[in-house]
Amino acid sequence: NAGVTQNPKFQVLKTGQSMTLQCAQDMNHNSMYWYRQDPGMGLRLIYYSASEGTTDKGEVPNGYNVSRLNKREFSLRLESAAPSQTSVYFCASREDRPFPSNQPQHFGDGTRLSIL
Amino acid sequence: AQSVTQLDSHVSVSEGTPVLLRCNYSSSYSPSLFWYVQHPNKGLQLLLKYTSAATLVKGINGFEAEFKKSETSFHLTKPSAHMSDAAEYFCVVSAQMLSGGGADGLTFGKGTHLIIQP
Repeated sequence: NAGVTQNPKFQVLKTGQSMTLQCAQDMNHNSMYWYRQDPGMGLRLIYYSASEGTTDKGEVPNGYNVSRLNKREFSLRLESAAPSQTSVYFCASREDRPFPSNQPQHFGDGTRLSIL
Repeated sequence: AQSVTQLDSHVSVSEGTPVLLRCNYSSSYSPSLFWYVQHPNKGLQLLLKYTSAATLVKGINGFEAEFKKSETSFHLTKPSAHMSDAAEYFCVVSAQMLSGGGADGLTFGKGTHLIIQP
């Protein structure tokens, strides 16, 4: 059972470089999410996608773009990385039937990103 | 609007003693509530969930939580701590957004770091 798979696991970038974080789920879930986790701040939502072809901004979307490539894959792109984007990034997915609010999220193991 | 407050950022207990991690919430809707655990360098794993059925919910690894509407609380407990329980714990409230669109209805607490003393 793969669940939610994130790649890469670790990455070091220089300021101004770009990169794409990959996420794929094999549970046929409609909803997918990108979070960042910083010490003492819990998880903060960057973007989410309620279904294939739709995306919505979360709490901290600035500096990021997303693509819901298909039902399985939801990628996060940093166009011009900044040191403030050093963080651990988590992807999650959730079933939305019968009621989305009753369903737990399933998380990947994260991408640890450092920007110098 | 909804919010979640985890009342302790750190909790330290001795192995074999009870664990209490506190969570208070506010929600304009009838919420579902979740506890997740995060071990070092791992993603979040579901411990248990409350979805308007029984107010006392049992989860994995001997954890349980009681939903108290009058106190707007959903505290996590375990009778006897084990070294493997050392981790970060997150309380999450989830509400069906009646207004539709634009929000995912999920609010995370900031986490409680559980330390187990040998």
